Amino acid sequence: EAGVAQSPRYKIIEKRQSVAFWCNPISGHATLYWYQQILGQGPKLLIQFQNNGVVDDSQLPKDRFSAERLKGVDSTLKIQPAKLEDSAVYLCASSLMERGGTDTQYFGPGTRLTVL
Amino acid sequence: GNSVTQMEGPVTLSEEAFLTINCTYTATGYPSLFWYVQYPGEGLQLLLKATKADDKGSNKGFEATYRKETTSFHLEKGSVQVSDSAVYFCALRNSGGYQKVTFGTGTKLQVIP
Repeated sequence: EAGVAQSPRYKIIEKRQSVAFWCNPISGHATLYWYQQILGQGPKLLIQFQNNGVVDDSQLPKDRFSAERLKGVDSTLKIQPAKLEDSAVYLCASSLMERGGTDTQYFGPGTRLTVL
Repeated sequence: GNSVTQMEGPVTLSEEAFLTINCTYTATGYPSLFWYVQYPGEGLQLLLKATKADDKGSNKGFEATYRKETTSFHLEKGSVQVSDSAVYFCALRNSGGYQKVTFGTGTKLQVIP
């Protein structure tokens, strides 16, 4: 079974530029998550999708971050414009079911973003 | 809100030493508890989990017991190997509805030969 795919693996941009990350979850997984992991910290949930609907985006800085999952499969996360403090690893995860369950989240390898 | 507190690292052990990484949590209701591991250059992987009080999760020689009375989920391994060197994250999720996972800050483990 193929795992969660993410691209690119690394990205270096200058502040105020835009950047986009792509995630393809495990086939059949209805729930998709984007996390931000700053160096030395645990992952912080940015946004959670159930199929193509947003379940939780309470920690997403909506003035600069956006995400979509148009067909309920793959997803993109965009930052526009980027700030220095956005330097982090962006993790995508997926799970088979969410509501009321304790199902496992499977993580992709992450995209390491450096903002100069 | 929910929170997870882990012991600060890094933890440095010699091969075959006993490992304990402490984890305590604050949550309403009856959360599920997890340990994730992140090897260098890789994404997070679920190591083990426990869904109710007194459950013991185990995998690859690692164990953790869900202690509701002390709100703890300490990770243990009897004999660590160099290949166990990684960052370990404790996490929780409340049951019911679309509950997000809350992670601790991670504990780096370095095992030396």
